[in-house]
Amino acid sequence: GNSVTQMEGPVTLSEEAFLTINCTYTATGYPSLFWYVQYPGEGLQLLLKATKADDKGSNKGFEATYRKETTSFHLEKGSVQVSDSAVYFCALRPYGGATNKLIFGTGTLLAVQP
Amino acid sequence: SQTIHQWPATLVQPVGSPLSLECTVEGTSNPNLYWYRQAAGRGLQLLFYSVGIGQISSEVPQNLSASRPQDRQFILSSKKLLLSDSGFYLCAWAQKGKTNEKLFFGSGTQLSVL
Repeated sequence: GNSVTQMEGPVTLSEEAFLTINCTYTATGYPSLFWYVQYPGEGLQLLLKATKADDKGSNKGFEATYRKETTSFHLEKGSVQVSDSAVYFCALRPYGGATNKLIFGTGTLLAVQP
Repeated sequence: SQTIHQWPATLVQPVGSPLSLECTVEGTSNPNLYWYRQAAGRGLQLLFYSVGIGQISSEVPQNLSASRPQDRQFILSSKKLLLSDSGFYLCAWAQKGKTNEKLFFGSGTQLSVL
């Protein structure tokens, strides 16, 4: 079946540190991959996405590359800020899905300290 | 612009009591609608989705039910809550007809069943 595995948190970093949050997936065919972010007290919002192998999604300084050979979609940022503190969810949309159903990972809490 | 409203934000209910969570979407028509749940230590799990009025698909067997009495209204219900129903419930919508369209989430309801 389809599933997403994320590294467990919390991840605690100092401001301006480099961030990596690992995400791997299991799926048939070619799923689309997403990162969603949930800031404190808010709902989830799309951070970035990639729809085919070797695509790189990017937004707000965050990047993730769709690696089919390693079935991964790791989230990276070169220099985190306190305002990046949030829960980050990796998700996949199964190939051929017509209803936009997403399968989410468990989420990773990122805490950035000044 | 489109907005999604979800209420209440927090709810504490005794075991065996009924439940009704409401979600409404504004600024769009004929959306796909979703209910997700995030239990402690687990990822977001899709509970129900709907592609139209009166059309409900259940993803997992459970104690909950969903209804869509109007195009932009999605209700999550239970006749008798269980302790295991505790969690964070998120409503979401997506535009129909576009592949890889992102989901727009409400701010969520934290349900505690005691």
